[in-house]
Amino acid sequence: AQSVTQPDIHITVSEGASLELRCNYSYGATPYLFWYVQSPGQGLQLLLKYFSGDTLVQGIKGFEAEFKRSQSSFNLRKPSVHWSDAAEYFCAVGALKTGGGNKLTFGTGTQLKVEL
Amino acid sequence: DAGVTQSPTHLIKTRGQQVTLRCSPKSGHDTVSWYQQALGQGPQFIFQYYEEEERQRGNFPDRFSGHQFPNYSSELNVNALLLGDSALYLCASSLGDRPITDTQYFGPGTRLTVL
Repeated sequence: AQSVTQPDIHITVSEGASLELRCNYSYGATPYLFWYVQSPGQGLQLLLKYFSGDTLVQGIKGFEAEFKRSQSSFNLRKPSVHWSDAAEYFCAVGALKTGGGNKLTFGTGTQLKVEL
Repeated sequence: DAGVTQSPTHLIKTRGQQVTLRCSPKSGHDTVSWYQQALGQGPQFIFQYYEEEERQRGNFPDRFSGHQFPNYSSELNVNALLLGDSALYLCASSLGDRPITDTQYFGPGTRLTVL
């Protein structure tokens, strides 16, 4: 069974500083990896996804993530954080089920606080 | 273009009651997935519907059931509510029967409180 670990429950950064949110996954086959962001009162918004190919993927809002198979990691990065980036971030792994159907398995999330 | 919509926004029930939550997928989407997000946790997969059939189910008891209608909208039903069922229930829609490779769009959720 697949699983996702986000080691950091809370992270605080200053506006303009760089950001890295950690994600480690466990999955027996080629993983499908995602980062979502959730603001208060809103649903989850997809930031980026990795299926195959280039291990560095670009997403919306200036975010990027790098897939490292040897480390089973898919860390999210942003070179300069904006106050509006304060939110909760979820890493997820997707698995295909034989015969159809699939699901996303999420980590417990990292709450990002941005200091002005 | 309307995104994923869910109703109601908030709901308060008492233990033992039954509840029905509703989801309308993004226009053109035919696959609907339901997730439960407890406070301070990540979303947990409940089940997924495609072409009006349940395609996959997570580790949730039979008290959780669902339905997908011909217009692809969906309902989540929970019977015999427990205090532990209090959570944000999220609906996600996507196109095709391989939504892993298609972006899943999430609705704002329904906040269920069980007293």
